[in-house]
Amino acid sequence: GENVEQHPSTLSVQEGDSAVIKCTYSDSASNYFPWYKQELGKRPQLIIDIRSNVGEKKDQRIAVTLNKTAKHFSLHITETQPEDSAVYFCAATSYDKVIFGPGTSLSVIP
Amino acid sequence: SAVISQKPSRDICQRGTSLTIQCQVDSQVTMMFWYRQQPGQSLTLIATANQGSEATYESGFVIDKFPISRPNLTFSTLTVSNMSPEDSSIYLCSARGWQETQYFGPGTRLLVL
Repeated sequence: GENVEQHPSTLSVQEGDSAVIKCTYSDSASNYFPWYKQELGKRPQLIIDIRSNVGEKKDQRIAVTLNKTAKHFSLHITETQPEDSAVYFCAATSYDKVIFGPGTSLSVIP
Repeated sequence: SAVISQKPSRDICQRGTSLTIQCQVDSQVTMMFWYRQQPGQSLTLIATANQGSEATYESGFVIDKFPISRPNLTFSTLTVSNMSPEDSSIYLCSARGWQETQYFGPGTRLLVL
């Protein structure tokens, strides 16, 4: 089955700096890659997603890149703000199932 | 986007008992799922809830322990049976719409004593 790895597990950045989270997946059949943000005590919220026929997607301060050959995808957050502090999960969809990475705890220091 | 509600939001149960969690979606969805999230951990898929037929369980999860129903397109239940303290966790319902986007319910926080 699909296996998703994610790095780093924790990340601290100064407000205004950029944050990058990297993920790898194992199943070459995976074709949809969502990213979720989960604040403490709340449900995961979809923040951006990318499909396998696209290499990059951007939404304001958030961008995601996908390298299908290497089975890598990354989340980039620019101009970070304290409200970006949360746990971020990458995920891969294989055979209709969304499999999550272990998560990255992002802290943005004011 | 689909709005998903769950109840109960939390419960404290005695070992050996069972708890049924309900999940309601406000619009028709193609697929529904149940996840478990231990504190500080990622989300683990328990099963896919299939309308009108038996759920499809992931490795490590069995129907006798986690029976699931989905009588229609917008409603599903998960039962945690014969509970032990190891079942203490957050249980999340999830639903996918026609455009593959998957949304989550608020979760049910379960503590087993």
